[in-house]
Amino acid sequence: EAGVAQSPRYKIIEKRQSVAFWCNPISGHATLYWYQQILGQGPKLLIQFQNNGVVDDSQLPKDRFSAERLKGVDSTLKIQPAKLEDSAVYLCASSLVRGGIEKLFFGSGTQLSVL
Amino acid sequence: KNEVEQSPQNLTAQEGEFITINCSYSVGISALHWLQQHPGGGIVSLFMLSSGKKKHGRLIATINIQEKHSSLHITASHPRDSAVYICAVIGTDKLIFGTGTRLQVFP
Repeated sequence: EAGVAQSPRYKIIEKRQSVAFWCNPISGHATLYWYQQILGQGPKLLIQFQNNGVVDDSQLPKDRFSAERLKGVDSTLKIQPAKLEDSAVYLCASSLVRGGIEKLFFGSGTQLSVL
Repeated sequence: KNEVEQSPQNLTAQEGEFITINCSYSVGISALHWLQQHPGGGIVSLFMLSSGKKKHGRLIATINIQEKHSSLHITASHPRDSAVYICAVIGTDKLIFGTGTRLQVFP
């Protein structure tokens, strides 16, 4: 079974520039998450999609962050304009519920450095 | 106070030692994940538990729902076990992460 694919693997930008990350979840997984993980901290949920609808985006800084999941499959996360504090690893995860239990699969993440 | 607390935050061990990482949570959950994150790497799901105990190779995970506590044990630890171990619980439609335990195993 193919895993969750993310790209790019690394990205370096200057502050005030824009950046976009892409995630292709495992086929058939209805739920997709974007997490931000700052060095030394646990992942923080940015947005959760169920198919192409948003379930939770309460922690997404909507003045600069946006995300979409067209057709309920691939997703993109955009930051515009980026700030220094956005330097982090951005993780995408998809999940499947089996036997009432949600099983999570993570992508390898995109490491963003904002200079 | 965080809804998911892990201890210790940092752990060093000699190769071969038995290691225990603890996770306590304060919310109602349907399941708990133990995750492993290597430096520069993505996150790998090690276990998903809703009750009892699971074993995979040298890794053992237990959960006590009544006490809202889970432990991850590593037997005969090895330098390749060096990573951050993260406990995450599935609360009400939301995954809540602990801050992780950084483990270093020295030869």
